[in-house]
Amino acid sequence: TQLLEQSPQFLSIQEGENLTVYCNSSSVFSSLQWYRQEPGEGPVLLVTVVTGGEVKKLKRLTFQFGDARKDSSLHITAAQTGDTGLYLCAGERPGNTGKLIFGQGTTLQVKP
Amino acid sequence: DVKVTQSSRYLVKRTGEKVFLECVQDMDHENMFWYRQDPGLGLRLIYFSYDVKMKEKGDIPEGYSVSREKKERFSLILESASTNQTSMYLCASSLQTGTYGYTFGSGTRLTVV
Repeated sequence: TQLLEQSPQFLSIQEGENLTVYCNSSSVFSSLQWYRQEPGEGPVLLVTVVTGGEVKKLKRLTFQFGDARKDSSLHITAAQTGDTGLYLCAGERPGNTGKLIFGQGTTLQVKP
Repeated sequence: DVKVTQSSRYLVKRTGEKVFLECVQDMDHENMFWYRQDPGLGLRLIYFSYDVKMKEKGDIPEGYSVSREKKERFSLILESASTNQTSMYLCASSLQTGTYGYTFGSGTRLTVV
């Protein structure tokens, strides 16, 4: 059972465009994280959101945690070629200390 | 700079061999994890450890075992490698709660021939 569904799975856009990646679940999470992974490397943590409705910004990236803490989105403004990579969301279930559930990932390609 | 170090970036092993993948972290983290990553399947948890000598099965433990004799080191063992274990293996560590995120190693690309 895939508890975290990411969409879209693949995204190919031109430099300068905006995009949004979604991470959805029917389960509640105590926290949700976003990672970016480049080819041949391990995922790197971008952000953690903890409070329902929370919005965090990291330069051109905006992360939002749903009010019910069941979903999240990642919005990139004016994408650059350096944003290319695999984006993964991961949630921590209440009481499931330390273990994260990962979505299947969104592969983003930003073309010059 | 905090680090999770995996001993090999690339490995090629023969079917039936016993394979050891080593992972070391320098952050004094309690939790350590082994995942495999395959296209279309995402990250799947093999085993994790929340303390020295403690381990718990993840979602796909069959064909694997682990060892954690010291807090900083977590080893993944393929008892008898098979071709369906060809994959990218990722080690990660974290504090007791996952809220602060995982730190991943760079991965080991294992090919079993």
